[in-house]
Amino acid sequence: AQSVAQPEDQVNVAEGNPLTVKCTYSVSGNPYLFWYVQYPNRGLQFLLKYITGDNLVKGSYGFEAEFNKSQTSFHLKKPSALVSDSALYFCAVRGSGGNEKLTFGTGTRLTIIP
Amino acid sequence: GAVVSQHPSWVICKSGTSVKIECRSLDFQATTMFWYRQFPKQSLMLMATSNEGSKATYEQGVEKDKFLINHASLTLSTLTVTSAHPEDSSFYICSALRRFGNTIYFGEGSWLTVV
Repeated sequence: AQSVAQPEDQVNVAEGNPLTVKCTYSVSGNPYLFWYVQYPNRGLQFLLKYITGDNLVKGSYGFEAEFNKSQTSFHLKKPSALVSDSALYFCAVRGSGGNEKLTFGTGTRLTIIP
Repeated sequence: GAVVSQHPSWVICKSGTSVKIECRSLDFQATTMFWYRQFPKQSLMLMATSNEGSKATYEQGVEKDKFLINHASLTLSTLTVTSAHPEDSSFYICSALRRFGNTIYFGEGSWLTVV
């Protein structure tokens, strides 16, 4: 069975500082990894994905994530946080073997402090 | 980018009635659509997976007779909550897998309140 762990329920970062939201995964075969962001009372917005290729993936709004196969991690990063980045972030995984279902982590609430 | 539209965004219904939520992929064909339920401050719980033209596959513990899912075309799936009860009140989110793609896009969600 596939699973995702987001070890931090809450992350607080000062505006302008770099931010990291952690994610580790478990899946059979090669992983397809995703990050989504959710603003209050809204659906999920796609940020970025790793399917294959370069381990460093760049996405929307200046976010990037690094795929680390040996550590089974896919941490989300941004060099300089904005107050508008405050939201709920979900990491998700699906296997490449035909199972299309996404498995989500429990989410990390990111708060950027002005 | 790909757009998934959900309608209605908010709905209030009386206990015992049924309510339908639509999920449309506006600018792409979706062979597979997913329906999730999200409780406050919790992650998304997958309810069912629907493939165009076939019956939906429900996750364990989800009542298929209560949550009717129809995927009549490559751009439309519907979730009907039948005989709704207050405990069905929740945030329901659909998502769609682009045909020949590998990214799943989400709708804006629908708040259901059963009174």
